Amino acid sequence: QVQLVQSGAEVKKPGASVKVSCKAPGYTFTNHYVHWVRQAPGRGLEWVGIFNPAGGTTSYAQELQGRVTMTGDTSTNTVYMELSSLRSEDTAVYYCAREARYRDSGGSYFYYFDYWGQGTLVTVSS
Amino acid sequence: IQLTQSPSSLSASVGDRVIITCRASQGIAINLAWYQQKPGKAPKVLIYAASTLQSGVPSRFSGSGSGTDFTLTISSLQPEDFATYYCQQLDNYPRSFGGGTKVEIK
Repeated sequence: QVQLVQSGAEVKKPGASVKVSCKAPGYTFTNHYVHWVRQAPGRGLEWVGIFNPAGGTTSYAQELQGRVTMTGDTSTNTVYMELSSLRSEDTAVYYCAREARYRDSGGSYFYYFDYWGQGTLVTVSS
Repeated sequence: IQLTQSPSSLSASVGDRVIITCRASQGIAINLAWYQQKPGKAPKVLIYAASTLQSGVPSRFSGSGSGTDFTLTISSLQPEDFATYYCQQLDNYPRSFGGGTKVEIK
C-alpha cells in the first residue's frame, strides 16, 4: 500500500534550519519523482521543489533557491527537505507528494500528484 | 506560468451545479490537474490531464478545457464536497497552483 509518512511538527527560531523527512514505503521508490509543497496558514498551495530519487536531481522554486536542499536515501526510501535561514514567512505546513505518470493511447505522458504525506507543520518564531 | 482561479469563493446549496474556472497565463495543452482539500488534510487529486477522472472519484466531478482555459464542474453538489479546490499546471516547472476556490454551504 502506497504511503508517504512525514516527520513531526517543528518549532524553530528565525535564522535556524529545519529538515523534514518523507518516508515512502509500498512502491518502487526510484520510479516516481517526489515533490514538496507548502501551505502557509490560511493560504493556498505553493510548490517548493522536486527530487528525483533515481538520480538525485532536483529543481527548486526560484524564491527559495539557495535556502532549500532536497536529498534522498534509497536504502530507507526516504526523501528529505532542508530549509535554512528560516524566516517567519516560512511558517507553513509542508507536504511531500508523489508524482504519477499516465500515458494515454496516443503515447503522450501526463502527470499529477497521486499520493501526499500527512503534512508537517513548521513554525518559525522567536 | 500563472494560474488564475475564479471565483475565489462561492456559496452553494446541496444539489447545485458548481463550475470553477482556471485560466493559465500561457498555453499548457491539457497538462492540468484539479485537487480537493478539506481543512487539516492533504489535497486529493480529482482530475488529471484536464478531463480524466482519478480512480475512485465520483462521476459528479468532471473537467474540461485545453490551452489556457479550464473548468471543473460538480454536477450536483453533495455535503462532502464543501472544500477548497485547486488547479495545478504540470506542463513545466515550477508546478504552479491556482489560488484556490472555497466552496461553502449557502
